[in-house]
Amino acid sequence: EDKVVQSPLSLVVHEGDTVTLNCSYEVTNFRSLLWYKQEKKAPTFLFMLTSSGIEKKSGRLSSILDKKELFSILNITATQTGDSAVYLCAEISNTGTASKLTFGTGTRLQVTL
Amino acid sequence: EPEVTQTPSHQVTQMGQEVILRCVPISNHLYFYWYRQILGQKVEFLVSFYNNEISEKSEIFDDQFSVERPDGSNFTLKIRSTKLEDSAMYFCASSALGRASGNTIYFGEGSWLTVV
Repeated sequence: EDKVVQSPLSLVVHEGDTVTLNCSYEVTNFRSLLWYKQEKKAPTFLFMLTSSGIEKKSGRLSSILDKKELFSILNITATQTGDSAVYLCAEISNTGTASKLTFGTGTRLQVTL
Repeated sequence: EPEVTQTPSHQVTQMGQEVILRCVPISNHLYFYWYRQILGQKVEFLVSFYNNEISEKSEIFDDQFSVERPDGSNFTLKIRSTKLEDSAMYFCASSALGRASGNTIYFGEGSWLTVV
């Protein structure tokens, strides 16, 4: 069974800090890894990573995938209170026709003033 | 920006009652999904739907669940006889293409179902 593990489970930082969130996976037929931000309800898409070693960047957020060691990290620099959310990591495997996501439990990030 | 919309946002129902959750996927998307998230737990895959049939379903998606695309825009999840453990946030999602392209899946705001 595919498995996605995130760490830490929760994190409290001060505004301006840099954080690194971790995601490791055990997947039979790995295709891609996705990061989502979940604030109140819907997970909102951040990044999709398919190739190893290529950093994806969006503003203060960046992410990279290591397919040899089976993990990904999400970095947030100069954190702001608006970054407070649950960050979800999910993988897409090569099964079926559609894209089935297997999620981790998430990392709950709280950014304080 | 196009988005997935879901109704109702919150529904309270009595155990044993039937519930239909509705979704309007993004208009040019071809693949549709239902996921659920029990409070405090991870988001779990229920079912994927393509070309008017189920593509894949999880163990959670048993005989009490069904999905339908009754017209060109709506995608519904029906729970025939709700149980207390069905209480969860149900997310509808859609993607333009399937797994072959590793396409991004976009989620709706969710329908919070409470079974009492």
